[in-house]
Amino acid sequence: QSALTQPASVSGPPGQSITISCTGTSSDVGGYNYVSWYQHHPGKAPKLIIFDVNNRPSGVSNRFSGSKSGNTASLTISGLQPEDEADYYCMSYTSTSDLDYVFGTGTKVAVL
Amino acid sequence: QVQLVQSGAEVKKPGASVRVSCKPSEYTFTGAYIHWVRQAPGQGLEWMGWLNPNSGLTHYAQMFQGRVTMTRDTSITTAYMDLTSLKSDDTAVYFCARRTKGSRYVGQWGQGTLVTVSS
Repeated sequence: QSALTQPASVSGPPGQSITISCTGTSSDVGGYNYVSWYQHHPGKAPKLIIFDVNNRPSGVSNRFSGSKSGNTASLTISGLQPEDEADYYCMSYTSTSDLDYVFGTGTKVAVL
Repeated sequence: QVQLVQSGAEVKKPGASVRVSCKPSEYTFTGAYIHWVRQAPGQGLEWMGWLNPNSGLTHYAQMFQGRVTMTRDTSITTAYMDLTSLKSDDTAVYFCARRTKGSRYVGQWGQGTLVTVSS
């Protein structure tokens, strides 16, 4: 099972909106509404920011939103802020035999 | 907010084994699974498997089958991840993370444990 595919990097100036894609297959992203997104500042613990495709945990800014179409999930960050600069990973439940969950390849977000 | 506290950094020689522990700060194991995830230097997150601390049931990613064992000691509410036959490419930060039963995401993460494999 390969990792889900994400762009290596996405950047934008403060205030802009950016979207990160996460492409899988019908065995993972496309087959279930179990995509979650994590923000990871290096050296710290990852933080859950979206679960079940488009739900935000309590306390997470509403500038983060998620969606899905077919085998591709997306994370949108609106009103980009300097503190959003981090690595972002999607994760999906998967029905393949060799594992239960699979992460995306990760996307580095830079705030220009 | 539940926190997961992991054991400290380890340095191991190739062929050795390592044990990383993970202890929730506030609760018993009831109603949650413990997942293990690793991140090698410069690489992304990699899912390793999960442990049901109540039953002891486990599910491992195929690439770790035969080398990883996830266990728990319910008397001290601590989960463990053992990795054997270490190789240099096992050098990574290992995270434990908590998934509430019935959900399909991990909500809380440990701070990570750096395991360095070097001769």
